[in-house]
Amino acid sequence: SQKIEQNSEALNIQEGKTATLTCNYTNYSPAYLQWYRQDPGRGPVFLLLIRENEKEKRKERLKVTFDTTLKQSLFHITASQPADSATYLCALARDDKIIFGKGTRLHILP
Amino acid sequence: DTAVSQTPKYLVTQMGNDKSIKCEQNLGHDTMYWYKQDSKKFLKIMFSYNNKELIINETVPNRFSPKSPDKAHLNLHINSLELGDSAVYFCASSSPGRGVYEQYFGPGTRLTVT
Repeated sequence: SQKIEQNSEALNIQEGKTATLTCNYTNYSPAYLQWYRQDPGRGPVFLLLIRENEKEKRKERLKVTFDTTLKQSLFHITASQPADSATYLCALARDDKIIFGKGTRLHILP
Repeated sequence: DTAVSQTPKYLVTQMGNDKSIKCEQNLGHDTMYWYKQDSKKFLKIMFSYNNKELIINETVPNRFSPKSPDKAHLNLHINSLELGDSAVYFCASSSPGRGVYEQYFGPGTRLTVT
């Protein structure tokens, strides 16, 4: 069955450092991969989308890589700030199907 | 302006009751979804509608019935509520056309069944 794993349930990073979150998947060939941010008590907010034929995508302090051979995506936040603290979800999609990972709770420590 | 709105935000009800959650989007999107996020924070798609046509119907009990009166609205009706239905339900929309693209989520409806 299709499976998505996000590296850890929680991750603590010192302010100013780069936070790196991992999303691994098995038994799936997504056409694209998405990353979302979710704050407590709120709906997920779309951050970035990367297609299967793309290696890397950037948006301001965010960078996503997608390795379809390793079946892995890395999500980086550079110069992290306490306001970046949230849960980050990865999602895989093809055609009309989308599946989400459980998310990683990121804490940026001041 | 709220892009995707849901009502109510909180819903507390007893087992066996029937309840509805409403969703509206003003983004002009063609596709709308219902998701369930359980206590372990797993976000799982339940239904997808494209232009009022049901596209995805995951393995959801038939006590759950989505209704789309027009492409800006997707309501979720739940019959004979059970304890296990307690969760946060999110509505979302996306565009363009078919296929799952970036999702715009509503604020969620926290359903508690006692």
